[in-house]
Amino acid sequence: AQTVTQSQPEMSVQEAETVTLSCTYDTSESNYYLFWYKQPPSRQMILVIRQEAYKQQNATENRFSVNFQKAAKSFSLKISDSQLGDTAMYFCAFMIQGAQKLVFGQGTRLTINP
Amino acid sequence: GAGVSQSPSNKVTEKGKDVELRCDPISGHTALYWYRQSLGQGLEFLIYFQGNSAPDKSGLPSDRFSAERTGGSVSTLTIQRTQQEDSAVYLCASSLVTSGGASTDTQYFGPGTRLTVL
Repeated sequence: AQTVTQSQPEMSVQEAETVTLSCTYDTSESNYYLFWYKQPPSRQMILVIRQEAYKQQNATENRFSVNFQKAAKSFSLKISDSQLGDTAMYFCAFMIQGAQKLVFGQGTRLTINP
Repeated sequence: GAGVSQSPSNKVTEKGKDVELRCDPISGHTALYWYRQSLGQGLEFLIYFQGNSAPDKSGLPSDRFSAERTGGSVSTLTIQRTQQEDSAVYLCASSLVTSGGASTDTQYFGPGTRLTVL
């Protein structure tokens, strides 16, 4: 069975700082996708970034980037120049290609302080 | 365009009653998913629909849970004889199925329905 582990239940940084959220996963599959979702208090799960396992290049979306280490099964999210609106729960998720279902980590509650 | 919508936003019910939760996927998305988010279990997959194929029900926790998808669009998740442990946020997501029938595309989520069973 696939598992996703987020070892940081909570994190807190000052506005404009850079923060890195950790995620590790366990699978014997070689073709899969990794995602970071953000869930603000409104409950809406919002996609932050996705990475295909076959791509060596790390995905980047504006202030958000990932450090994908396939051999180590690690998928961390870096948020640069953090903003108050980044305050939310962040979930790391994994999906085997063709399996249709997402497996989520337990989440990291991130607070950006003014 | 419109995103995934879910209704009701909040539902409070008494133990033993049946409830129905509704999901409207993004127009054109043929794949639809239900997940449950609870304090003790985190986010769990419940069921997946793709077109006219038989749904993947492998995540449903008991036979009190069922779901249907009419006309390949709107889906209803039904929980019969609700129990207090059913209290959770129920999230619906949809995605665009790419060639070969595999949903390799991103899942887009609705705002969820918070169910409270008293």
